[in-house]
Amino acid sequence: DVKVTQSSRYLVKRTGEKVFLECVQDMDHENMFWYRQDPGLGLRLIYFSYDVKMKEKGDIPEGYSVSREKKERFSLILESASTNQTSMYLCASSFAALLLSSGVNTEAFFGQGTRLTVV
Amino acid sequence: SQQGEEDPQALSIQEGENATMNCSYKTSINNLQWYRQNSGRGLVHLILIRSNEREKHSGRLRVTLDTSKKSSSLLITASRAADTASYFCATDRGSRDDKIIFGKGTRLHILP
Repeated sequence: DVKVTQSSRYLVKRTGEKVFLECVQDMDHENMFWYRQDPGLGLRLIYFSYDVKMKEKGDIPEGYSVSREKKERFSLILESASTNQTSMYLCASSFAALLLSSGVNTEAFFGQGTRLTVV
Repeated sequence: SQQGEEDPQALSIQEGENATMNCSYKTSINNLQWYRQNSGRGLVHLILIRSNEREKHSGRLRVTLDTSKKSSSLLITASRAADTASYFCATDRGSRDDKIIFGKGTRLHILP
């Protein structure tokens, strides 16, 4: 079974703190994603990585950075947490789409989510 | 953004009835996927349909794709209480762009 593991289910941080959210996958997936989910807004992509050390901004990258030093690990960093970053954060991973023709399924596998509260 | 839009935002039906949810998207796609999310949990993949496919079945799920209208529908037949969840469509553009972009979701509530 594919496993995507997020380091915390619940997190409470203070305004201005530097926050690290960690995500690890065990399926050797090329792609990894960080989304945030807010009521009425669905899932919004923060950052995407398609390889080690490679990243692309999603729709809402402001206030966030990411790190992918190893293929299995993708970290989301809130440089200076603010109350408007209180949200549910979801990590996901998938195979690269170019493998689809090889019969590989490119569905995304999600972690259980981290509910972050910034006070 | 190529974000999809699900319709309706919320749907309540009686157990045993069929549930239909729709998704529209903006740009050309490679694949369209449907996911389910139970309250407060991560998303679970349900079904993937490629841009060159028009219909796909998986158990009680039926997905259609109309690329000319940039729309898809998810039909759940003979609904059960356990189908109560939020449903999201997601699109990617394939090797041109692997990002998977989600819509806002449809909240489905199955009434006993």
